[in-house]
Amino acid sequence: EVQLVESGGGLVQPGSSLKLSCVASGFTFSNYGMNWIRQAPKKGLEWIALIYYDSSNKYYADSVKGRFTISRDNSKNTLYLEMNSLRSEDTAMYYCAKWPGTGAFDYWGQGVMVTVSS
Amino acid sequence: DVVMTQTPPSLSVAIGQSVSISCKSSQSLVYSDGKTYLHWLLQSPGRSPKRLIYQVSNLGSGVPDRFSGTGSQKDFTLKISRVEAEDLGVYYCAQTTHFPLTFGSGTKLEIK
Repeated sequence: EVQLVESGGGLVQPGSSLKLSCVASGFTFSNYGMNWIRQAPKKGLEWIALIYYDSSNKYYADSVKGRFTISRDNSKNTLYLEMNSLRSEDTAMYYCAKWPGTGAFDYWGQGVMVTVSS
Repeated sequence: DVVMTQTPPSLSVAIGQSVSISCKSSQSLVYSDGKTYLHWLLQSPGRSPKRLIYQVSNLGSGVPDRFSGTGSQKDFTLKISRVEAEDLGVYYCAQTTHFPLTFGSGTKLEIK
């Protein structure tokens, strides 16, 4: 059974940093790209970053480019999102999602909440 | 960026009825490999999104065949035949042809 478990969220002040993790199981993590997608309270879905299976390519939404960094450790089956210079508008539930060959998001984690507030 | 326009924003339907949701993109979603990367997701209340349909018309694993997807280029439709209570939630279309990847604004399905 595919499982994606996010962690690392919390309440932080504007301008601070946070690092999210997503631990994968139930599939060969090193064979698949992975995404981070967020959802602000009562809002829709916003894709923020994608990393290829071998970290050879990374893509970001303009809203986070230069502030957020996606990375992975295939030896630990773990995806990361390092978030710097956090703003109130970064407040959201953050999901990791698997990227299969079909180009869709076929499995999602349960999400982790990040709140940026003074 | 590719803008995904979903309509209607909400709908209310009785159990057993059929419904359709429209998703229109601002650009063609046909990729250079000839495939169309338009997908449909359902977010049930309090849950993470779940993939329903990928590449326009392919049912995801375990998704009942009451769900079907059609369309091409810039115009796509999700149809739910014989709606069941478990179908309530917010439906999103998503395109993964162009970066940045984008989602529609969602269609909230309520059961009468």
